[in-house]
Amino acid sequence: AQTVTQSQPEMSVQEAETVTLSCTYDTSESDYYLFWYKQPPSRQMILVIRQEAYKQQNATENRFSVNFQKAAKSFSLKISDSQLGDAAMYFCAYRSASWTGANNLFFGTGTRLTVIP
Amino acid sequence: SQTIHQWPATLVQPVGSPLSLECTVEGTSNPNLYWYRQAAGRGLQLLFYSVGIGQISSEVPQNLSASRPQDRQFILSSKKLLLSDSGFYLCAWSVRRGGTEAFFGQGTRLTVV
Repeated sequence: AQTVTQSQPEMSVQEAETVTLSCTYDTSESDYYLFWYKQPPSRQMILVIRQEAYKQQNATENRFSVNFQKAAKSFSLKISDSQLGDAAMYFCAYRSASWTGANNLFFGTGTRLTVIP
Repeated sequence: SQTIHQWPATLVQPVGSPLSLECTVEGTSNPNLYWYRQAAGRGLQLLFYSVGIGQISSEVPQNLSASRPQDRQFILSSKKLLLSDSGFYLCAWSVRRGGTEAFFGQGTRLTVV
């Protein structure tokens, strides 16, 4: 089974600064998707960014960008110009691109990000 | 646009009582549906998934069951709750084929006392 590892249980960043959250994963598949989800205090899971494994270009969404290293099986999230509203739990997730089965997401254990005013 | 509704938001139930959490999806057809549980300080654990009406797969042996009586309705149940069933439960859906991400409901915080 695929595994996703987030080695940083907690991170903090000064408002307006940049922070990078780490994620590694293990898979034998060549085609898959990777995601970063944000879970604010409301507990609802919100998709932050998505990366298709077949794309070499790193995904970006406004202040959020990823560093996808397929050979190293690494998928880090960079948050630029951090804002107070970025404070949340961040989960890295993996999903197979196979069209068989349930294609459920495999999640890491999360990183709690604190933004310091 | 697609929306997912999950209720109730919070629930306090005594040990041994039954449970029914409901999730419905609007604006899409034939979705994959999922129930996840999130324990404190941990990631999300997949409990059940469904690829069609009446088709339920269980990932983790437990005191819970799931049903999908309609295409866009997914129900999580228990006949007798245990203390260990306490947690945060999330329903999610994804496009059946060719979909990428999953979309989550707002979650239910279940406390068994």
